[in-house]
Amino acid sequence: GQQLNQSPQSMFIQEGEDVSMNCTSSSIFNTWLWYKQDPGEGPVLLIALYKAGELTSNGRLTAQFGITRKDSFLNISASIPSDVGIYFCAGPEYGNKLVFGAGTILRVKS
Amino acid sequence: EAGVAQSPRYKIIEKRQSVAFWCNPISGHATLYWYQQILGQGPKLLIQFQNNGVVDDSQLPKDRFSAERLKGVDSTLKIQPAKLEDSAVYLCASSLGQGAGGANTEAFFGQGTRLTVV
Repeated sequence: GQQLNQSPQSMFIQEGEDVSMNCTSSSIFNTWLWYKQDPGEGPVLLIALYKAGELTSNGRLTAQFGITRKDSFLNISASIPSDVGIYFCAGPEYGNKLVFGAGTILRVKS
Repeated sequence: EAGVAQSPRYKIIEKRQSVAFWCNPISGHATLYWYQQILGQGPKLLIQFQNNGVVDDSQLPKDRFSAERLKGVDSTLKIQPAKLEDSAVYLCASSLGQGAGGANTEAFFGQGTRLTVV
């Protein structure tokens, strides 16, 4: 099956910093989804992307659907403590089978 | 709109025992997914239903795991007998699934069931 590679695996953020992460695949996708998971909870959908080159925002979050359709990027501007968590990219294979990356862990710098 | 409901939230069982998880998807969602999430990893798809038919169960360990979705609404996932390596969070998700791609693929998750096998 498809493999989605997320980077970085983890990062530390300081309040107010901008954060960037990305997701790549070996094959093209027609849809990219970005989720956030807090401890003890299920993943929550943040942003959905449907077209190559598309740039979509949700508050301080902005995501882009890569032109090659093999990658996607998520940016968080002016991070705040509640941004801490695990961010997953996901995309549908054949038959809407939704596959996930391994996640990027966001932690607060102390 | 009510979200995806799962129960129980937590379960501790001994190895070789059996366990069952229940999921009620968002009303009107044709596609239902069961994922296994081991600590530190992304969700791994176990089985996908479209209405009450199985679309994909290629990663379901069929010698011990079974799932059904009667009447195309609620679903149960069963493990019998459980092994230590089954300790994980079991997530249920649903999506519109009325066609290919786009909003049909946006999956919404329940809170999950944390299973500990001792």
